[in-house]
Parts: sequence; C-alpha cells; structure tokens
Amino acid sequence: GENVEQHPSTLSVQEGDSAVIKCTYSDSASNYFPWYKQELGKGPQLIIDIRSNVGEKKDQRIAVTLNKTAKHFSLHITETQPEDSAVYFCAASDQTGANNLFFGTGTRLTVIP
Amino acid sequence: ETGVTQTPRHLVMGMTNKKSLKCEQHLGHNAMYWYKQSAKKPLELMFVYNFKEQTENNSVPSRFSPECPNSSHLFLHLHTLQPEDSALYLCASSQDLARQETQYFGPGTRLLVL
Repeated sequence: GENVEQHPSTLSVQEGDSAVIKCTYSDSASNYFPWYKQELGKGPQLIIDIRSNVGEKKDQRIAVTLNKTAKHFSLHITETQPEDSAVYFCAASDQTGANNLFFGTGTRLTVIP
Repeated sequence: ETGVTQTPRHLVMGMTNKKSLKCEQHLGHNAMYWYKQSAKKPLELMFVYNFKEQTENNSVPSRFSPECPNSSHLFLHLHTLQPEDSALYLCASSQDLARQETQYFGPGTRLLVL
C-alpha cells in the first residue's frame, strides 16, 4: 500500500511569515492529494487538494505544489495568522481501493503573534 | 460545522465494559468511515461502509464491531478493549466511494481505556 511521510512534525513561524510543509509518497499511481487542517477538539477539515493533472493550485493564502516525478507535494501558507495554528495532515489516494486515503503523521504549526 | 456529528465526545471505560460510539451525517452521503487517531501516528482507516454495506475491514480486532443501519448512521461497538485502544476515534463520510471524493470528518470521540 501507499506510504506517506510528512515533515516537519512541528513548525513555529512569526505572524506574517510563510510556512511550508512537505510530504512524500511511495505509490507512483496515486493521483489525489488532499490537505487537512485539524484544530484542537475538532476533526480534520479539508483545506485544499490537488490532482496529478496539475502542478500547483492556489486558494487565497494557501497553495499546494505537486512534483509527480519526485513523488512529493507541499503545502504553502503565506502571510500566516494566529488562526492558522493547528495540525496539518497530508494524504494520498491509494489506487487499489476506492477512495482510500493514506495520511501523513501531521505537522503542528504554531503562528507566534 | 461539517455536518458530521459524533457522540459521546469523551468516553472513559474499563477493559470489561461494553460501550458504543455513534456517528450521524447530515450531508446525504452514502459512504461512511471509522478512523483511529493515535498520537504521532497517521490516521488509521478501520472500516468503510457504502450504502450500508461494509466494503473494508482493515484488519481490525474483533473487539471493535461496526454497525451501519442506514446511510446516515454509523456505530462502533466496543467490548473488552485494551489500554492501547485509547485514542481519538473519528467518523467521516463522503458522497460515495468514487476515487477523489472529499471525506468530511466529525469531531471525534476521545476514548480512554483504563
């Protein structure tokens, strides 16, 4: 099955700075890569996703890039705000099962005011 | 609010107890999932249901027993659990099992097994 690795496990940035979280995956057939944000006491919420027919996708301050050759994808948050503080998870789809997602271990982002 | 609710939010149980976790989705979805979230580990898929039929059992011990009476409700029955089963149990739903369908998560049930 798919194996997803995520780095770093913790990340602290000053408010207004950018944050970058990186993930690698093992199954070259994977073609769907969502990112989830989990705030304290809540379940993960989808914030952005990318499919393998595109290399980059943006949504306001959030962007995701995908390099299929290298099998890695990254989340970029610009102009960080305190409310961006949360745990972020990347995931990759498993082509062997319907809608099966394999998750990374998470990155705890802290934005310092 | 994601439209997926879970009860109870917190649960403490002894190893000999029997309890049930409940999940309800108000999104009109047909697929529902149970995940286990432990500290410093990736989310682990446990069970998948599509149109009330179980389609995936990810080698989960029999002390966890799922039940899906209809497409809106999903239960996880617990009995004779072990302390290592303490974790956050998350329910999710999606429109169906087509690939790349967004999964919507509930807030989870924080379980502590003593």
